[in-house]
Amino acid sequence: GAGVSQSPRYKVTKRGQDVALRCDPISGHVSLYWYRQALGQGPEFLTYFNYEAQQDKSGLPNDRFSAERPEGSISTLTIQRTEQRDSAMYRCASSLGLWSGSPDTQYFGPGTRLTVL
Amino acid sequence: AQTVTQSQPEMSVQEAETVTLSCTYDTSESDYYLFWYKQPPSRQMILVIRQEAYKQQNATENRFSVNFQKAAKSFSLKISDSQLGDAAMYFCAYRYGQGAQKLVFGQGTRLTINP
Repeated sequence: GAGVSQSPRYKVTKRGQDVALRCDPISGHVSLYWYRQALGQGPEFLTYFNYEAQQDKSGLPNDRFSAERPEGSISTLTIQRTEQRDSAMYRCASSLGLWSGSPDTQYFGPGTRLTVL
Repeated sequence: AQTVTQSQPEMSVQEAETVTLSCTYDTSESDYYLFWYKQPPSRQMILVIRQEAYKQQNATENRFSVNFQKAAKSFSLKISDSQLGDAAMYFCAYRYGQGAQKLVFGQGTRLTINP
């Protein structure tokens, strides 16, 4: 079946603009995660959802970052008033969920490369 | 807090040879999972292999195997018969077994395959 998809794949924006990044998880996957990856580094956790409920947002760097998953499927990560330091690859992943049995592997999308000028 | 350390920023190996990538982690938990992900030049994140901490047997997936040393908190990846397509960044990752499911990644090791 189809994997995790993300759009846009590339986004260039000017400092101060708002951006919205979209993630479409694998069909039937309950859990959805957002990570941020700087060049040459491993991904860093931002937030995750079970269905529509945001379970953990401890990785969101500040209040300019927010995420939602209103119907328990597609998720949007929004960055308000973007800054140059927000430039990175933003990755989404999905998994079946805790009750799927261990180890509940996360499958990653291709990412959105965000460049803030 | 859990941390994952990959002490080899870069590794290289001759095609058809065997290479081992190192990973250590720090946790006080007993129930957790460990993963190796591969990131080729396309920058996709591809799961290579996974290991449950409660299992003593080392996981194996074709040419990929792990050496899981729970007491030493070590989780190395061995790639046998290296192929050109194995060239990539490799990330080790940890996940706590219960509750929060976030993955904690290491810094990565860039693997080069020499023909």
